[in-house]
Amino acid sequence: GAVVSQHPSWVICKSGTSVKIECRSLDFQATTMFWYRQFPKQSLMLMATSNEGSKATYEQGVEKDKFLINHASLTLSTLTVTSAHPEDSSFYICSARTFGTGRQYFGPGTRLTVT
Amino acid sequence: DQQVKQNSPSLSVQEGRISILNCDYTNSMFDYFLWYKKYPAEGPTFLISISSIKDKNEDGRFTVFLNKSAKHLSLHIVPSQPGDSAVYFCAATWGNEKLTFGTGTRLTIIP
Repeated sequence: GAVVSQHPSWVICKSGTSVKIECRSLDFQATTMFWYRQFPKQSLMLMATSNEGSKATYEQGVEKDKFLINHASLTLSTLTVTSAHPEDSSFYICSARTFGTGRQYFGPGTRLTVT
Repeated sequence: DQQVKQNSPSLSVQEGRISILNCDYTNSMFDYFLWYKKYPAEGPTFLISISSIKDKNEDGRFTVFLNKSAKHLSLHIVPSQPGDSAVYFCAATWGNEKLTFGTGTRLTIIP
């Protein structure tokens, strides 16, 4: 149980275009989903927290207009990287959590490369 | 401000021996700690956790120790196996809020 999927697992896009990444909790209802970014050989950096049906809370330094997060249902959250630039190339990971628990279940990650 | 630190970026251990991974934190509000294992290009997978009301939690080959006065926790893996080779992250949280991750330790098990 507690499986989280991400789609796509790998995407290449051209500079200036937008990319949408989906995060789904497959066998549980995720009241909260988190989006992380990981640079090579670095820790996971939390970008934003989203609760179902409400606006996402972004961490300091994360541009909310660039990284659009939608958590429309208890099983789906999306991250859209708008007007992507090469510096947005990274490994993006989502996690999901059910209300009342501290444990987060992570997706497999999405490798974004912007050319 | 790195609230959770893993001061050893890498560690090599002989197969069958004990692996000890360390983690220090600065925020005394943290009340729940977790260890995750991560392979390259994959998401982290949960290993073991411990609440601040305990000082030890054991699950098979994995044991986590918590020293609140020192703000230190450690993960013991015994015996170490080749499949344990990965990057290990400790994480901390309080009030069931967001996780704060350490910088990770790359563990290599030598056959």
